[in-house]
Amino acid sequence: RKEVEQDPGPFNVPEGATVAFNCTYSNSASQSFFWYRQDCRKEPKLLMSVYSSGNEDGRFTAQLNRASQYISLLIRDSKLSDSATYLCVPKAAGNQFYFGTGTSLTVIP
Amino acid sequence: EAGVAQSPRYKIIEKRQSVAFWCNPISGHATLYWYQQILGQGPKLLIQFQNNGVVDDSQLPKDRFSAERLKGVDSTLKIQPAKLEDSAVYLCASSSLAGNNEQFFGPGTRLTVL
Repeated sequence: RKEVEQDPGPFNVPEGATVAFNCTYSNSASQSFFWYRQDCRKEPKLLMSVYSSGNEDGRFTAQLNRASQYISLLIRDSKLSDSATYLCVPKAAGNQFYFGTGTSLTVIP
Repeated sequence: EAGVAQSPRYKIIEKRQSVAFWCNPISGHATLYWYQQILGQGPKLLIQFQNNGVVDDSQLPKDRFSAERLKGVDSTLKIQPAKLEDSAVYLCASSSLAGNNEQFFGPGTRLTVL
């Protein structure tokens, strides 16, 4: 079983749409959770951390369900600049990060 | 704050040749990671250092790959001899032991093996 499972997509959505990505992880001892964004031919960059109570940063909302080992990312009012691959990243003890394959998003004018 | 530095940015070699990549993490970051990212896939951890010790190298193909971080700061990753399937982007990342522990990535080295 993979450490992190994500739907690779691609998700093609029109500008202004709301889109949600889901992720499941297998390591129940995971301590912290992150969403990274990776633009084409660039390195991953932190989009947001995911807190137990869920958190929001502008148009982005992240949710964590530890019981189901499930993380989600919601993007509202999609912009063309949101086109990228979104990587779900749980972190276990010892600073060990686990990457999924990522979910590809294309926002269409 | 300076980010993670990597060099070279691009490298083209023929199979069976050797190649080395260099990484300088963010100052003060104890943990350093090397990842291999093949097109269309997520980053795959090759090796993780904490200071100058190896934490995890379970996915490092040790017959051809080696890495070191002798002084607990910068690191080199070597491939000898290279195979066609080693064509990928090699990403270095670092993280602190304190705070949110997020990883910061360098720009990567894009390796093409012909």
